[in-house]
Amino acid sequence: QQQVKQSPQSLIVQKGGISIINCAYENTAFDYFPWYQQFPGKGPALLIAIRPDVSEKKEGRFTISFNKSAKQFSLHIMDSQPGDSATYFCAASGNYQLIWGAGTKLIIKP
Amino acid sequence: NAGVTQTPKFQVLKTGQSMTLQCAQDMNHNSMYWYRQDPGMGLRLIYYSASEGTTDKGEVPNGYNVSRLNKREFSLRLESAAPSQTSVYFCASAREVSKNIQYFGAGTRLSVL
Repeated sequence: QQQVKQSPQSLIVQKGGISIINCAYENTAFDYFPWYQQFPGKGPALLIAIRPDVSEKKEGRFTISFNKSAKQFSLHIMDSQPGDSATYFCAASGNYQLIWGAGTKLIIKP
Repeated sequence: NAGVTQTPKFQVLKTGQSMTLQCAQDMNHNSMYWYRQDPGMGLRLIYYSASEGTTDKGEVPNGYNVSRLNKREFSLRLESAAPSQTSVYFCASAREVSKNIQYFGAGTRLSVL
């Protein structure tokens, strides 16, 4: 009930391509869905977030798509750049806590 | 603004030793969190403090204790370190528990030999 399942575990994309990371959840009480980006040796940093009453949110090259009925959400990175190479975590917020996905290591090849 | 500051950045302990990881935030946030991060397992919540004066267990609290010293500071103590506690530890803080936008420190890399 509390899990957030994230896939894929790792992803290699050519520069300029689209990177897509998927997450699924079970608990319908979650009310906020953030994505975090983490570079090696650093703490995670908020990238973009969405509420479940919105189907899509776009910030620059980053877009969250949210499917409430399927209990799934995804991160799309358009025109992926080498500087986007990092680990990405999805999460779901509820009851004072964030429930985290296991992370996706993204590598953008030049 | 420094944000969330963690000390130390690196630490090596022998099995059975004790230590305290320090965390301070200067954003006037109400909630604070301690996580551990292990390869392939994402972030696991150890303890959190929803507000000053309260602490609660997270997913993996065994072997740890915490103290919310004041609104700014939240420390994590390992009373008798074990090799299984070798990990990277992150402290985070959040202003609103409803949105729970968490801001992270740079982490403490702990090795227990």
